[in-house]
This record gives sequence, structure tokens and C-alpha cells, in this order.
Amino acid sequence: QQQVKQSPQSLIVQKGGISIINCAYENTAFDYFPWYQQFPGKGPALLIAIRPDVSEKKEGRFTISFNKSAKQFSLHIMDSQPGDSATYFCAASKAGGATNKLIFGTGTLLAVQP
Amino acid sequence: GAGVSQSPRYKVAKRGQDVALRCDPISGHVSLFWYQQALGQGPEFLTYFQNEAQLDKSGLPSDRFFAERPEGSVSTLKIQRTQQEDSAVYLCASSLPGNSETQYFGPGTRLLVL
Repeated sequence: QQQVKQSPQSLIVQKGGISIINCAYENTAFDYFPWYQQFPGKGPALLIAIRPDVSEKKEGRFTISFNKSAKQFSLHIMDSQPGDSATYFCAASKAGGATNKLIFGTGTLLAVQP
Repeated sequence: GAGVSQSPRYKVAKRGQDVALRCDPISGHVSLFWYQQALGQGPEFLTYFQNEAQLDKSGLPSDRFFAERPEGSVSTLKIQRTQQEDSAVYLCASSLPGNSETQYFGPGTRLLVL
């Protein structure tokens, strides 16, 4: 059972454009939603994260939009740059248990063309 | 400061061999996670430690997989009698006390079972 669904699988954006990646989740107990960036041969690196008590969070060129009623959240990369070309994963976790294990989406391969 | 380190970075094993993968978490991080990342997929949770206690091993795919963290620092993931389906990148992540949601990942060990 895939608890976090991510789309699109791949994305090509021109330099300076906006990249948008979407995720949907099923478990309403999730209360932490991070986005990770992964370059080839590297481990995932935390990019930005949000909790469901806010609808939007912005850090530099990266923005998370969160829709609790629709159980959806998205990553927006403004002014996309070739250096942003990487695989992006959304994830979710729930507090209060014995672990804060992350449930990851399947990833989006982003290519920003110069 | 130093991040999470993993060794070896690459491991080739013949089917049936046992392998041991090592993780050195960030100093002071009490929480440690192991994830398995198949090619083209998102990481999947394997197991979680808080200090030396293994609090969650629900993601270990079979009894051939075993993890330990005897002194609450370095962790070892052992796979016995490796199978071809074990081929994947094994990621280790650690987090601060009281903030295990923010997980810092190592570069991973790429395991290829022939």
C-alpha cells in the first residue's frame, strides 16, 4: 500500500521557470511533511518541511503548499536553475509513536535546461 | 562538522554471502534509522534505534536482515545469505534527541548481489 503518492515521475523545466511537484497522502495521522533533494551517488538532503497547521512555507526559492482537507502538498521551485537538477522526494511521518520513520514518495527526476 | 558516514560505499557480493554495512552517525545523535532504496524508488524504512535500543524493526524484509547498535553510536546492518533482490542502496540516517523528524542521511552503501 503506497501511503504517499508523488507526481510527476519526471519533469523538464527551462532555466528561470517554475518547477512543481505534487504529493498526496492517505494517513491522516501524518503530521510532518518534508521534501528531500537527492543528487546521484549522494544521500537525500532535507530541503524544506511543513506541518499541517500552516498552509504554506517558503524558504528562498522553495515553497511548500499544503492542503489538509485534500491531503495534498506540493513543492514549488521558483526561478529554477540547472543546479536544481536532481531527484526530489516528498515524505511524511507521524509523531507520537516509537519512531518517526519517514514514508517516502517514489521521487521526481527534475531536469532544468539552461 | 562531519555528517553521517557509511562504509563501504560499494559492495559486490555473490549470492549466498553474508555482508555487513556500517554507519557512523553524527556525534550526539541518539536516533538512527536504516532505509533501503531500490533503483528508481524512494527510500523504504527498515529499522530504528534510539541509543542502543532497537525500537522498531518492522521494515526488515526477512530474518536474513539484522541490525545492531551495541554502544549507541555506530550501527551495523547485516544481511545473511544475500539474494539478488537485496541489491539496493542502503541508507543510514541520524537525528538529534527530541527532533527525530529531521533526519540527516549518509551517502549510502550500494550493494550489488550477483
